[in-house]
Amino acid sequence: ILNVEQSPQSLHVQEGDSTNFTCSFPSSNFYALHWYRWETAKSPEALFVMTLNGDEKKKGRISATLNTKEGYSYLYIKGSQPEDSATYLCAFIPGNTGKLIFGQGTTLQVKP
Amino acid sequence: GAVVSQHPSRVICKSGTSVKIECRSLDFQATTMFWYRQFPKQSLMLMATSNEGSKATYEQGVEKDKFLINHASLTLSTLTVTSAHPEDSSFYICSARAGSVDTEAFFGQGTRLTVV
Repeated sequence: ILNVEQSPQSLHVQEGDSTNFTCSFPSSNFYALHWYRWETAKSPEALFVMTLNGDEKKKGRISATLNTKEGYSYLYIKGSQPEDSATYLCAFIPGNTGKLIFGQGTTLQVKP
Repeated sequence: GAVVSQHPSRVICKSGTSVKIECRSLDFQATTMFWYRQFPKQSLMLMATSNEGSKATYEQGVEKDKFLINHASLTLSTLTVTSAHPEDSSFYICSARAGSVDTEAFFGQGTRLTVV
């Protein structure tokens, strides 16, 4: 059974705070790691697709890093805004299967 | 980004009846679609991989006779929950890729199924 773990499960921060979450995944048979943002009543939307060890990607105030050797990825949000409130999901793709194995998600609530 | 439309968004049905959920890629062709189920406070659990023109590949523990998947065209996959029971009540969501296996997936809006 492939285990993808995310922590923390939930997070409450004040507007302007910076925050980060962790995604842990199997370090063997790695193919890719995805991050998605899932807002209430909407569809999950891709933030990053990461494939190489040491990858760092950035989109606005959000960035992510990847360590495939030790099996973790961090997602950072700088200067959180209320509109960042959502559940952030990571998904591991083992081998060349194309299957997304999801973590439980980290639910972020940003208070104005 | 590409759009995936899933219908219905919410359905209530009686025990013993069947329910069909549709997943359409509106502006791209999806050779592969995926169906997920989410239990309360848990992650999205992959149920099956749906390939256009061939039989779906089910994950271990998913009953293929209970959850019928059809991928009749490059833009449409359907999930039919047959002889539904209250324990089938859940959130079901589909996704599709427009490119290779390491490209992002596009998701439908999900379907909340309640079996009474």
